[in-house]
Amino acid sequence: NAGVTQTPKFQVLKTGQSMTLQCAQDMNHNSMYWYRQDPGMGLRLIYYSASEGTTDKGEVPNGYNVSRLNKREFSLRLESAAPSQTSVYFCASVRTGNNEQFFGPGTRLTVL
Amino acid sequence: AQSVAQPEDQVNVAEGNPLTVKCTYSVSGNPYLFWYVQYPNRGLQFLLKYITGDNLVKGSYGFEAEFNKSQTSFHLKKPSALVSDSALYFCAVRDYGSSNTCKLIFGQGTTLQVKP
Repeated sequence: NAGVTQTPKFQVLKTGQSMTLQCAQDMNHNSMYWYRQDPGMGLRLIYYSASEGTTDKGEVPNGYNVSRLNKREFSLRLESAAPSQTSVYFCASVRTGNNEQFFGPGTRLTVL
Repeated sequence: AQSVAQPEDQVNVAEGNPLTVKCTYSVSGNPYLFWYVQYPNRGLQFLLKYITGDNLVKGSYGFEAEFNKSQTSFHLKKPSALVSDSALYFCAVRDYGSSNTCKLIFGQGTTLQVKP
């Protein structure tokens, strides 16, 4: 099992550009999450998907959109990147009833 | 609202000494509590969790955590620290509005530095 994979690992954007962060899991988990990590602030939830076909906002959803393409894949889109979105982005998944989240390796995004 | 706090930004210990990383929580019911570790340039890894049962929970890599309901704390401990334990540690509590998703609320993280 590859677990949770994320692409790309690194990305530099200019203000106003768009991009999509990809996440996939091969553990047949129902729920998937997108977090951002900023120094001194821990991880903050951007969006989550409780199951295939559903998505909901987390703590900091502004400026982002998501798509739960199928049970395996959950993508995060920045339509018009801003410097405030410079961060490390983590995807995670969990099997319903287990409570243990599995995290991907992260995407380091810089917006100039 | 649920919350979790890690009062120390950094903890420094000497190799071989016991270590404690502190965490306090605030929830409206019985808490589901977690510890995760993050090594440099890596994703978070699950260490241990408290759902119910014994107050002392044992996890990966020799770590354990003590749940104290009266003090609303869930401190992470290890009897003998290793240099390789140096990492960023996160405490988390499950969001009570998420019975079917396991949404987590994270603390801000504590950097553990173990010196030889």
